[in-house]
Amino acid sequence: DGGITQSPKYLFRKEGQNVTLSCEQNLNHDAMYWYRQDPGQGLRLIYYSQIVNDFQKGDIAEGYSVSREKKESFPLTVTSAQKNPTAFYLCASSIDARGLRYGYTFGSGTRLTVV
Amino acid sequence: QQPVQSPQAVILREGEDAVINCSSSKALYSVHWYRQKHGEAPVFLMILLKGGEQKGHDKISASFNEKKQQSSLYLTASQLSYSGTYFCGTGGKTSYDKVIFGPGTSLSVIP
Repeated sequence: DGGITQSPKYLFRKEGQNVTLSCEQNLNHDAMYWYRQDPGQGLRLIYYSQIVNDFQKGDIAEGYSVSREKKESFPLTVTSAQKNPTAFYLCASSIDARGLRYGYTFGSGTRLTVV
Repeated sequence: QQPVQSPQAVILREGEDAVINCSSSKALYSVHWYRQKHGEAPVFLMILLKGGEQKGHDKISASFNEKKQQSSLYLTASQLSYSGTYFCGTGGKTSYDKVIFGPGTSLSVIP
């Protein structure tokens, strides 16, 4: 079955550590996205990529970094510069740049907690 | 600018109807609707493109009023499985206009 796989489901980070969240899709989608979800704030865009080896900052990119070396993979690194990283992180993909044909497909998320 | 959703939360009894509204201060080209159950991924319901269209999906339908820059999601004869948080996402005309999601509307259907 095609879909998006995010791992791990739960992640604990110590202060000052960098952590990487994995996102893999086998849908052959060109575009991929990372969103952060906090209670009552909906989904806020961190980074997005419309093609391999190219990505753009979203609304809250500070303290995060990404890479897109393969079409299937779009890992997100939460760096120590991100002051408040505790949140639910969602990866998504779409067949076209704005999801106009079939919307976005989301992964099941990674819950990151700073300890 | 993040779209505004109303109401923030609603509780329904099974079989009742509900309307969730999504409005934007920017000109809209597209509106997405998603439902998310607690701790799970949002699931795509439908997308509407400018032109004032209405779409249906079982007992869930939506309208898009381009002039008013708003969309409404209609849930009729609600079922327990409709419970969750509903998000709208609004998009502009160019590929540089990213979809921006609203804060969500929490819908609880009780027996």
